[in-house]
Amino acid sequence: DQQVKQNSPSLSVQEGRISILNCDYTNSMFDYFLWYKKYPAEGPTFLISISSIKDKNEDGRFTVFLNKSAKHLSLHIVPSQPGDSAVYFCAASSRTNAGKSTFGDGTTLTVKP
Amino acid sequence: EAGVTQSPTHLIKTRGQQATLRCSPISGHTSVYWYQQALGLGLQFLLWYDEGEERNRGNFPPRFSGRQFPNYSSELNVNALELEDSALYLCASSLVREEYGYTFGSGTRLTVV
Repeated sequence: DQQVKQNSPSLSVQEGRISILNCDYTNSMFDYFLWYKKYPAEGPTFLISISSIKDKNEDGRFTVFLNKSAKHLSLHIVPSQPGDSAVYFCAASSRTNAGKSTFGDGTTLTVKP
Repeated sequence: EAGVTQSPTHLIKTRGQQATLRCSPISGHTSVYWYQQALGLGLQFLLWYDEGEERNRGNFPPRFSGRQFPNYSSELNVNALELEDSALYLCASSLVREEYGYTFGSGTRLTVV
């Protein structure tokens, strides 16, 4: 049972436009949701997080939206830049299972110049 | 400031052998996490160490084990290697606050032949 799912393996957008990456989850006990970016031959890099008690968190060009009733979150990147091309992972964690983050399989974002 | 460092970068072992992977966390981080990433998949939680103790463990057999040393560095041991153990093994460290995310190393690519 995959508790965190990223249903789109890939996404391609034009430079300057909005990128929207989606993530669905099944476990209502998750307390935090996080997004990571991964370039080839590097480890994932933490981007942004959101607590389950909030519905939006913004950091520069990155905004994460959380819809608890739908068990859905999304990462918006505006404007998209070619350097944003990477694999993006959605992750979730719960205080009742401390230290464990559950990751989705990732979405490969390609931003075309 | 040095990031999370992992060694070796690549490791080739024969089925049935043992593999030892090493990780040094960011200075000041007491928590170390181990994740396995099989090809094309998301990260699977292996182990969490904090203050020298194993705090949580993922759904992996007992032949996956490890330890954390007094300087907070960590070692992951995989005994009786199987072909399906071939994967990228990522180590991460953090302050123990879920919303801050992890800092990952670049990983050790383990190949079992």
